[in-house]
Amino acid sequence: GENVEQHPSTLSVQEGDSAVIKCTYSDSASNYFPWYKQELGKRPQLIIDIRSNVGEKKDQRIAVTLNKTAKHFSLHITETQPEDSAVYFCAVPPLVFGTGTRLLVSP
Amino acid sequence: DGGITQSPKYLFRKEGQNVTLSCEQNLNHDAMYWYRQDPGQGLRLIYYSQIVNDFQKGDIAEGYSVSREKKESFPLTVTSAQKNPTAFYLCASSIEAHLGKSTGELFFGEGSRLTVL
Repeated sequence: GENVEQHPSTLSVQEGDSAVIKCTYSDSASNYFPWYKQELGKRPQLIIDIRSNVGEKKDQRIAVTLNKTAKHFSLHITETQPEDSAVYFCAVPPLVFGTGTRLLVSP
Repeated sequence: DGGITQSPKYLFRKEGQNVTLSCEQNLNHDAMYWYRQDPGQGLRLIYYSQIVNDFQKGDIAEGYSVSREKKESFPLTVTSAQKNPTAFYLCASSIEAHLGKSTGELFFGEGSRLTVL
């Protein structure tokens, strides 16, 4: 079945730095790759997604890149702010989610 | 106001009891899902339904049951056969799903936290 590996499990950065989280998947038939942000005790919320017909998508400080050949996709956050602190999940929905990356942005 | 509603938000269960978690959506979505989240871990799929009167097991279906009698409702029953039911349960929906693959954004409810006493 589908498998997703997400790294790193924790990431600490200083405010203003960039953060990169990477996910590797196994099913080459997958064609939709979202990233979710979950704050403590709250529901996951979609922050950005990408479909297999494009290699990169940007939304202000957030970007997602997709390498279908290597079967991995990455979340890039630039100019990080303390409110970016949360757990981020990649997914190959709906069956498989990554194990999450806890991002801590220090002022 | 469109969305997906879960209830109750908090639930306590004694060992040996069955409990049912409610999930209702007014987004007119065909597909609905139940996930379990344990502390510090990702989401694991329990059951999903692509259409009314049909549902499929996810990775951790043992000890759980669901029904999909109406498009907008997908209740989850945690049975006494589930040996470790204490967790945070999330319901989600998406416009559609084909062959078990979501084709778009998952919309999540606020979750139900179940604790076994």
